Amino acid sequence: ILNVEQSPQSLHVQEGDSTNFTCSFPSSNFYALHWYRWETAKSPEALFVMTLNGDEKKKGRISATLNTKEGYSYLYIKGSQPEDSATYLCAFIKPGGFKTIFGAGTRLFVKA
Amino acid sequence: EAGVTQFPSHSVIEKGQTVTLRCDPISGHDNLYWYRRVMGKEIKFLLHFVKESKQDESGMPNNRFLAERTGGTYSTLKVQPAELEDSGVYFCASSQEEAGAETQYFGPGTRLLVL
Repeated sequence: ILNVEQSPQSLHVQEGDSTNFTCSFPSSNFYALHWYRWETAKSPEALFVMTLNGDEKKKGRISATLNTKEGYSYLYIKGSQPEDSATYLCAFIKPGGFKTIFGAGTRLFVKA
Repeated sequence: EAGVTQFPSHSVIEKGQTVTLRCDPISGHDNLYWYRRVMGKEIKFLLHFVKESKQDESGMPNNRFLAERTGGTYSTLKVQPAELEDSGVYFCASSQEEAGAETQYFGPGTRLLVL
């Protein structure tokens, strides 16, 4: 059984705070890791697809790093804004098939 | 470019009835995925199509679920007969090439409630 764990489960921050979340996944048999931003009642929105150990990706104030050897990825948000409030999901894909295994997500609340 | 669309957006049915969900992927996307999220749980993979072929259907819960993608364009997911535990949000996603390392674009989901 493959487990993808995300922490924390939820996070409350003030506008302007920087924050980060963790996604842990099996370090063996890695193919790709996806990060999504998901607002309730909308579609999950792709943020990053990460495939190489040491990858760092950035999109505006959001960035992510990947460590496949130890099996974790961090998502960082710099200067959080209320519109960043959403659930952030990571999804792990192993080689040999493209079954995607999602974590339970980190629910971020940013207070103005 | 139109995104992934799903129909219906909501469906309320009684236990034992049949429901068919439809997904239209982004035009030209060979890879199509179905996922389900039961309330309070993670999004779970159901199956993956490449064009009209099922590549992986290991996530399908049981034989009450049937997915098709005739012609390799839109896909349907039929639940027959529906049970209470089938309630949840059914998402469809598509990607252009090389499933796994390509961005998957999600549809808005179909919210299914079985009473």
